[in-house]
Amino acid sequence: KQEVTQIPAALSVPEGENLVLNCSFTDSAIYNLQWFRQDPGKGLTSLLLIQSSQREQTSGRLNASLDKSSGRSTLYIAASQPGDSATYLCAAMFSGGYNKLIFGAGTRLAVHP
Amino acid sequence: NAGVTQTPKFQVLKTGQSMTLQCAQDMNHEYMSWYRQDPGMGLRLIHYSVGAGITDQGEVPNGYNVSRSTTEDFPLRLLSAAPSQTSVYFCASSYSLEGPNSSPLHFGNGTRLTVT
Repeated sequence: KQEVTQIPAALSVPEGENLVLNCSFTDSAIYNLQWFRQDPGKGLTSLLLIQSSQREQTSGRLNASLDKSSGRSTLYIAASQPGDSATYLCAAMFSGGYNKLIFGAGTRLAVHP
Repeated sequence: NAGVTQTPKFQVLKTGQSMTLQCAQDMNHEYMSWYRQDPGMGLRLIHYSVGAGITDQGEVPNGYNVSRSTTEDFPLRLLSAAPSQTSVYFCASSYSLEGPNSSPLHFGNGTRLTVT
């Protein structure tokens, strides 16, 4: 079964710290992977989308990498700020499961001043 | 641009009642989908559509119906509500999830449904 896992479920860091969020998946035949941010009571906002042919994508202080052989993606947040506090979810689309994104349960991040 | 609009924001139903959750997007997206989000389980795909007149099942389709008569609208119908359908429902859209030009998924703000 194709699954996406995010560990840890929650993370608390001091402001200014560089941090890495992890996403692992069970099938190396991944088509693409997206990272999302969700604020309490809100919908999800797409942060980065990585195609299977790419190794990483960057947007501002965010960098996402994709390693198909190890079944891992990481989201790197540089110089974290309290405004980064949210739940971060990753979602993968696998070859053979087109148009069906499979989500991880998310990592709840708290950045404290 | 309004993006993806979902109505209502909140709904309480009694077991056995039916209702329709509305979803509309103004971005001319071909792909639309419905997810439910339950605590600790992430989002699970209910149904999706790759264009007007085309729908398909996701991971948890039982108890739900969809139709796509226009590009803009993708309503989700609960046929006979059950307490197990208590959840937060999200509608999402994209130009396309496949191909070299696959694009990000845009989400609405959700409908919180309680079935008693």
